[in-house]
Amino acid sequence: AQTVTQSQPEMSVQEAETVTLSCTYDTSESDYYLFWYKQPPSRQMILVIRQEAYKQQNATENRFSVNFQKAAKSFSLKISDSQLGDAAMYFCAYRSAYQGNAGNMLTFGGGTRLMVKP
Amino acid sequence: DSGVTQTPKHLITATGQRVTLRCSPRSGDLSVYWYQQSLDQGLQFLIQYYNGEERAKGNILERFSAQQFPDLHSELNLSSLELGDSALYFCASSAGTVTEQYFGPGTRLTVT
Repeated sequence: AQTVTQSQPEMSVQEAETVTLSCTYDTSESDYYLFWYKQPPSRQMILVIRQEAYKQQNATENRFSVNFQKAAKSFSLKISDSQLGDAAMYFCAYRSAYQGNAGNMLTFGGGTRLMVKP
Repeated sequence: DSGVTQTPKHLITATGQRVTLRCSPRSGDLSVYWYQQSLDQGLQFLIQYYNGEERAKGNILERFSAQQFPDLHSELNLSSLELGDSALYFCASSAGTVTEQYFGPGTRLTVT
C-alpha cells in the first residue's frame, strides 16, 4: 500500500516571501500521479497542481511549482510571492496510474497548515 | 466552484441514527468517490463508483453503504451512528477513472 508523509504540521511565511512544503511518499509502482490540494477555512478541497511520474519536468501553475524527485520519492510544493489568501491546509496526495481493484483512490498525507504573516 | 454539489451542508444527529448524504457529480463525470475527513484519521478514501458500478472500497465500515444511481448522483448511507463518525464527508468526481478528481464542498456530520 502507498503511504504519503508530510513532516511539517505547520509552516509560516511572510507575505511576498517564498515557502516550500515537503512531502514524501512510498510506493512500489513506477507510474503514478502526485497532487497538491489546498483546503482553506471554507473546507473546500481545491486542486493546486499535479505531476505525472513519467514526466521529468516539474509542474508549475503561476506562483506554485513543485520539485519532483522520483528516486528520492519526494514531492515538495513551492509557493512564490506568498499572499494572505494562500493561508490554508495543504495536502499532498498520491494516485496510482494503474486501473485495477484498487481503483483510483487518492491517498493523502496528514497535511501542513500554512500561515501567512502580513 | 468545482461543479460538484453535496447536500446537506450540515447534519446533526444522535447516536444510533441513520443518515443519507447526497452527491451530484460534475456534468459528464462518471466516477464518484467518497472520502471522510476526521481529526484522528485524516482524509480517508471510503468508496468509488464508476457509471453505477462499485469500483473500489477503502476503509469503509460495514455500517456504511453507498450507491450510484442511473442519473450518476450518489448517496452515502451511514447507519447505527457513533460519536466517532462525526467528520466531514467529501464527494469527488472525475470524468473517467484516471483523471483529476474535483471535490464538493463536503457535508459536516455531527453525531451527539
